[in-house]
Amino acid sequence: DTAVSQTPKYLVTQMGNDKSIKCEQNLGHDTMYWYKQDSKKFLKIMFSYNNKELIINETVPNRFSPKSPDKAHLNLHINSLELGDSAVYFCASSQEGPRGNEQFFGPGTRLTVL
Amino acid sequence: GDSVTQMEGPVTLSEEAFLTINCTYTATGYPSLFWYVQYPGEGLQLLLKATKADDKGSNKGFEATYRKETTSFHLEKGSVQVSDSAVYFCALSESNSGYALNFGKGTSLLVTP
Repeated sequence: DTAVSQTPKYLVTQMGNDKSIKCEQNLGHDTMYWYKQDSKKFLKIMFSYNNKELIINETVPNRFSPKSPDKAHLNLHINSLELGDSAVYFCASSQEGPRGNEQFFGPGTRLTVL
Repeated sequence: GDSVTQMEGPVTLSEEAFLTINCTYTATGYPSLFWYVQYPGEGLQLLLKATKADDKGSNKGFEATYRKETTSFHLEKGSVQVSDSAVYFCALSESNSGYALNFGKGTSLLVTP
């Protein structure tokens, strides 16, 4: 059983389009995250949800909107895609704990904007 | 704000060589420290972690010790294998940032036979 799954794995689209990436975790975790990995492999937090509530919203353009229908799912919708949005997007989940527990990562979604 | 600095790569080693990847951090509070590994074409996996000063994390022959006095968490392995070729990320998390991982830039390791 896959612990954290993302769909699609690859996404190729034109500038200006709107697209969504879905993430699901079956670990029973309370917290889910979206990270962006750029072409130089640098990873940066975008959003975090805890029990469907947004708790982290880093400096990300308004075109990016996360949605958590329940605590097992965290989707990422991107409007008006730009070339600079091309990256690998990773979803992760963790169980809250006092010392920052392990985060489990999905396989990533490679987004290419043409 | 918090930050993590890793040694620049790529690092190329022969099989059975000793590995050290340096990692230092700055933090406002008392972070937990992690090493994650990313194999080609895959997501990230936790390699090891340490949650308080002087803790040693270890896994698969890799070790790192949480050094508060030098704000460091260097990764070491006594004898690397070809299968260790991957990108290694040092990261920290703190409660004041919602436990999101703050990553270093990653160090690419290539081990040759």
